[in-house]
Amino acid sequence: DIVMTQSPDSLAVSLGERATINCKSSQSLLWSSNNKNYLAWYQQKPGQPPQVLIYWASSRESGVPDRFSGSGSGTDFTLTISSLQAEDVAVYYCQHHYTTPFTFGQGTKLEIK
Amino acid sequence: QVQLQESGPGLVKPSETLSLTCTVSGGSISGYYWSWIRQPPGKGLEWIGYIYYSGNSKYNPSLKSRVTISVDRSKNQFSLNLSSVTAADTAVYYCARQRFGELSHFDHWGQGTLITVSS
Repeated sequence: DIVMTQSPDSLAVSLGERATINCKSSQSLLWSSNNKNYLAWYQQKPGQPPQVLIYWASSRESGVPDRFSGSGSGTDFTLTISSLQAEDVAVYYCQHHYTTPFTFGQGTKLEIK
Repeated sequence: QVQLQESGPGLVKPSETLSLTCTVSGGSISGYYWSWIRQPPGKGLEWIGYIYYSGNSKYNPSLKSRVTISVDRSKNQFSLNLSSVTAADTAVYYCARQRFGELSHFDHWGQGTLITVSS
């Protein structure tokens, strides 16, 4: 199975500041045939299901604020929130969809400093 | 807008079979892959398996011997059976749609249903 490792496990950022979450996969998630990285980012608030923010590593889902962005390729990926808002407090997960079984990172808990 | 809704018993006894159904509304089950994902209380997410609307399925090897996923296109539903459950199977179970085919992210999720395994 592909192992997804996120860092840090938790993060406290001031309102309006930048938040950065990292995700590393145990093997490359880049399909050479289409040059896409099969990596998604989700946000999960308490008592709610996860909601996709980013897919193919850098494509923003419709309706997601543009302060959320994804970057990276191969085995190293980053989710960036450019200016933290109060409603961004949540747990964030990365997930690969390169092959089965799909696996998720352990999650990063984002709080307000 | 596609919506998914899980339904099931809530409480299952150890060694019995957990059965859940996901009803898809606002869109057709045809043409998509549909997954089950679970999350033990306070923990992370685990993919259980998927089914294509035609009936082809694939499971997580960690659960493969106990899992069956089926589809009922006439009812726009798909279902999960997990046999021989133990306390370790206590979790919130989600159903979800895969947006772009077999190897795709999950773009729509159900609200989830908590299944507790206890005698």
